[in-house]
Amino acid sequence: ETGVTQTPRHLVMGMTNKKSLKCEQHLGHNAMYWYKQSAKKPLELMFVYSLEERVENNSVPSRFSPECPNSSHLFLHLHTLQPEDSALYLCASSQDSKNTEAFFGQGTRLTVV
Amino acid sequence: DAKTTQPNSMESNEEEPVHLPCNHSTISGTDYIHWYRQLPSQGPEYVIHGLTSNVNNRMASLAIAEDRKSSTLILHRATLRDAAVYYCILRDVLGNEKLTFGTGTRLTIIP
Repeated sequence: ETGVTQTPRHLVMGMTNKKSLKCEQHLGHNAMYWYKQSAKKPLELMFVYSLEERVENNSVPSRFSPECPNSSHLFLHLHTLQPEDSALYLCASSQDSKNTEAFFGQGTRLTVV
Repeated sequence: DAKTTQPNSMESNEEEPVHLPCNHSTISGTDYIHWYRQLPSQGPEYVIHGLTSNVNNRMASLAIAEDRKSSTLILHRATLRDAAVYYCILRDVLGNEKLTFGTGTRLTIIP
């Protein structure tokens, strides 16, 4: 248990569906992240939020839409995804300092059919 | 972020020490060296980090070369639960909060 909780753990969605991934932390952290981990690929950083403002967007397609309503919650809204978007989506949080450790959730295993 | 180079895979016997190397020849003076590991079916977890001096914690030790161009993560007594992918990452203290992962080293523990 890392203190970062992701729901759901597994999600199967069609290409025309709209769904959202949720991440929650009550560690008092000010930075939150979304990563994508595809099979046999390194983790890819998607978005970074610091103090509820997006500070990084790594050329992610617009069918992925993040939302950070407060410092404890982070969402990833999904719409019109493609089968190649199937992956493990990981959320992480850290203090606002540059060199403190990041805590990761267990991830959401997403399958797009 | 400066890049790191790690072996793709390593094997070690259970209850023996493991030395996981990482090369970072282009490291800058403001880069910290971080290690994370990812156990099967889990998210990554922090292991240790350092700047210049060797570091110890309950999980592992980090030995940093004097020129800082390489480092070694040391697991003093490997157990089957240490089987994971180990990532060596440079994190610039002057940069943003980005934490960028490479391909890491897949460590297999032999019973």
